[in-house]
Amino acid sequence: AQSVAQPEDQVNVAEGNPLTVKCTYSVSGNPYLFWYVQYPNRGLQFLLKYITGDNLVKGSYGFEAEFNKSQTSFHLKKPSALVSDSALYFCAVRGLINAGNNRKLIWGLGTSLAVNP
Amino acid sequence: GAGVSQSPRYKVAKRGQDVALRCDPISGHVSLFWYQQALGQGPEFLTYFQNEAQLDKSGLPSDRFFAERPEGSVSTLKIQRTQQEDSAVYLCASTGASTDTQYFGPGTRLTVL
Repeated sequence: AQSVAQPEDQVNVAEGNPLTVKCTYSVSGNPYLFWYVQYPNRGLQFLLKYITGDNLVKGSYGFEAEFNKSQTSFHLKKPSALVSDSALYFCAVRGLINAGNNRKLIWGLGTSLAVNP
Repeated sequence: GAGVSQSPRYKVAKRGQDVALRCDPISGHVSLFWYQQALGQGPEFLTYFQNEAQLDKSGLPSDRFFAERPEGSVSTLKIQRTQQEDSAVYLCASTGASTDTQYFGPGTRLTVL
């Protein structure tokens, strides 16, 4: 079965410090991995994805993520956090492609990031 | 450039009422997804359309939930005889034929009293 784990419910970091939000996954075959951010009362905003190629993926707002196949991880990182980065972050993996070519996403429970001034 | 829109943004229903939630995907996007997000949880897949064909409805929690996309664009998620456990945010996403990125609407927050 496909699954995604975000082991930290909350991450606290001081403004200007680097941040990491962790994600591990379990999926058959090659994973398609995604990070989204959710601000209060707003929908999910796409940050970045890994499909293939370079293990380090760069995305929106200065975020990046590193795909590590041996550790089945896809941690989200940013070199210098901003207070405005405070939000809920979700990792997702695309499920198996079945005969209907389903592209549904399987989601972690989310990590609340608090960046303190 | 319009993104995915959903209406209403908020819906309060009495237990037992029927509700209909609407999703307008990005123009030209062939795939449309519905997810349910309970408070403090990640989204859970409900159903998926490719054009007008409903290819997967395995996530619909009961036969009270029904979704349609008759012309391959706008979709409606209908919940009959709402129950308190149906209270959640219902998210719609769409994606184009040449991308795996799903773009989400703002969601509809359903509260069943």
